[in-house]
Amino acid sequence: GAVVSQHPSRVICKSGTSVKIECRSLDFQATTMFWYRQFPKKSLMLMATSNEGSKATYEQGVEKDKFLINHASLTLSTLTVTSAHPEDSSFYICSATKTTEAFFGQGTRLTVV
Amino acid sequence: SQQGEEDPQALSIQEGENATMNCSYKTSINNLQWYRQNSGRGLVHLILIRSNEREKHSGRLRVTLDTSKKSSSLLITASRAADTASYFCATPQTSYDKVIFGPGTSLSVIP
Repeated sequence: GAVVSQHPSRVICKSGTSVKIECRSLDFQATTMFWYRQFPKKSLMLMATSNEGSKATYEQGVEKDKFLINHASLTLSTLTVTSAHPEDSSFYICSATKTTEAFFGQGTRLTVV
Repeated sequence: SQQGEEDPQALSIQEGENATMNCSYKTSINNLQWYRQNSGRGLVHLILIRSNEREKHSGRLRVTLDTSKKSSSLLITASRAADTASYFCATPQTSYDKVIFGPGTSLSVIP
């Protein structure tokens, strides 16, 4: 089956710094990828749709300047959490769809101290 | 916005019993997927059922889909302590194929 790889799996950073998370489709090309955020004991909330070669589409309430998304190639999308604060600590997960089946990365546990 | 709605939101059963979780959704779908997530971990894809299918089996899992009622159920038979996890239904939206998750059911299987 199709594989989506996400890196890093865990990251701890200081308040005020920026963190980049990578999402790669390993065996297929993905013109569109998706980023989700999950708070403890909650479901996954769609943050944004990453579009190859164009601007990302953000869901309502998601700050585009805080969560920068770049989809520079057909196999790579990156999410950068800028000027991170403790409230940005969360589990972030990406996905890419091959035909109509979604494949998810392993997720990134971000802790901002 | 979340589309799927699971119920119950929390379920606690004894090992060996069956666990049934339900999911409802609002818009038309091509397929519906069920995922498991152990605490603090990534998603594990369990099963995908297409809109033209009514029932699907995979090991101890049985999924049903009723497109007229816009609902699906996940049955785990002969539950084990290792089945303790959160279970989510997810529905790809026809536009852009983005996947929307329900709130999930937290299943606890007591040994």
